[in-house]
Amino acid sequence: DTGVSQNPRHKITKRGQNVTFRCDPISEHNRLYWYRQTLGQGPEFLTYFQNEAQLEKSRLLSDRFSAERPKGSFSTLEIQRTEQGDSAMYLCASSLASGGNYGYTFGSGTRLTVV
Amino acid sequence: GESVGLHLPTLSVQEGDNSIINCAYSNSASDYFIWYKQESGKGPQFIIDIRSNMDKRQGQRVTVLLNKTVKHLSLQIAATQPGDSAVYFCAEIQGAQKLVFGQGTRLTINP
Repeated sequence: DTGVSQNPRHKITKRGQNVTFRCDPISEHNRLYWYRQTLGQGPEFLTYFQNEAQLEKSRLLSDRFSAERPKGSFSTLEIQRTEQGDSAMYLCASSLASGGNYGYTFGSGTRLTVV
Repeated sequence: GESVGLHLPTLSVQEGDNSIINCAYSNSASDYFIWYKQESGKGPQFIIDIRSNMDKRQGQRVTVLLNKTVKHLSLQIAATQPGDSAVYFCAEIQGAQKLVFGQGTRLTINP
């Protein structure tokens, strides 16, 4: 296991198109998170899953955004009808739902550019 | 919700000097903090963490100090190297492991 993997690394899309990103977490981690990061800012929380259940969603996650984790392993984040304001780095992270060192680990992200 | 923030957006230091990066937080109930390093084009990389029942924690060349009285965190990097150039974020755990990040400090190492 080489950590959290995200695909694609880069995505350029035209405004109005739909895009889907994939995240493969560390295999023993049962929690998976999505964050969005715009230039010069820290990552902002979007949503998280414990196993296959989506337990929390940020107000940043408009109805054009949907995330799934159907088997409690990999996750997908879909953005429908993309807008220029959706251009950002989308980061995935995973962790263990236990005390102590959470092992909160980020992937390298998917950079989305909407033109 | 409450947020964490950083005092300075940029910091330049000479190679070999020590670096100190500061962070203020506002949620007095926070009990777990993490420092991350982010290089260009990469995701945040864990550096060191600290719980609120500690004042200090040391790692390899890094030390985190926590002052709960004034709600302040600092990251000290000893003998700064060119590879330390990056943006550094402090983050606070809120709720069920949701991270709240500050804006970040860009550390530049001068030769």
